[in-house]
Amino acid sequence: AQSVTQLDSHVSVSEGTPVLLRCNYSSSYSPSLFWYVQHPNKGLQLLLKYTSAATLVKGINGFEAEFKKSETSFHLTKPSAHMSDAAEYFCGIGSSNTGKLIFGQGTTLQVKP
Amino acid sequence: DAGVIQSPRHEVTEMGQEVTLRCKPISGHNSLFWYRQTMMRGLELLIYFNNNVPIDDSGMPEDRFSAKMPNASFSTLKIQPSEPRDSAVYFCASSPGQGSGYTFGSGTRLTVV
Repeated sequence: AQSVTQLDSHVSVSEGTPVLLRCNYSSSYSPSLFWYVQHPNKGLQLLLKYTSAATLVKGINGFEAEFKKSETSFHLTKPSAHMSDAAEYFCGIGSSNTGKLIFGQGTTLQVKP
Repeated sequence: DAGVIQSPRHEVTEMGQEVTLRCKPISGHNSLFWYRQTMMRGLELLIYFNNNVPIDDSGMPEDRFSAKMPNASFSTLKIQPSEPRDSAVYFCASSPGQGSGYTFGSGTRLTVV
């Protein structure tokens, strides 16, 4: 079985400071990993995905994530937070066998002026 | 490409009534997913289809819920009879293949009173 755990339910940063949203995964085979963002009352938008190519994945809006197999982690980072980054972020794991995608519980990112 | 299209955007119904949510996936995507989002339980995968065939419905809460995909361009999620605890945002997503990106619709906000 596959699963993801988002280690923080809420993260608060000041505008212009780095963002770190943590995600650990569990999988018995090589996973596909995703980060999605959800702004209030909106659907989910794909930020980036890892599918067994480069371990450092760059996404939209300046976000990136690094796949670390030894740590079973796929943390999302951004060097400098903008007010518009305030949203809910979901880490997801997809099965290459079944195509099934499941999500962690989400992390709310608050950006303070 | 119009993306994944869900209808209606909002639905308010009385307890006991039948509710039907609709989804049109992206043309050419052969996997379709239904999710439910609530504050308490986060994003839950209810059911998914590959090539119009239901693959895993283990997330469907109970027999009141049913989903169909009669063809590659249309799916429905039905709740009969509806209950107040079914109030949530229901998302549909589609994917072109296993491990590929998943595109989400804007969701249907269901309120059962």
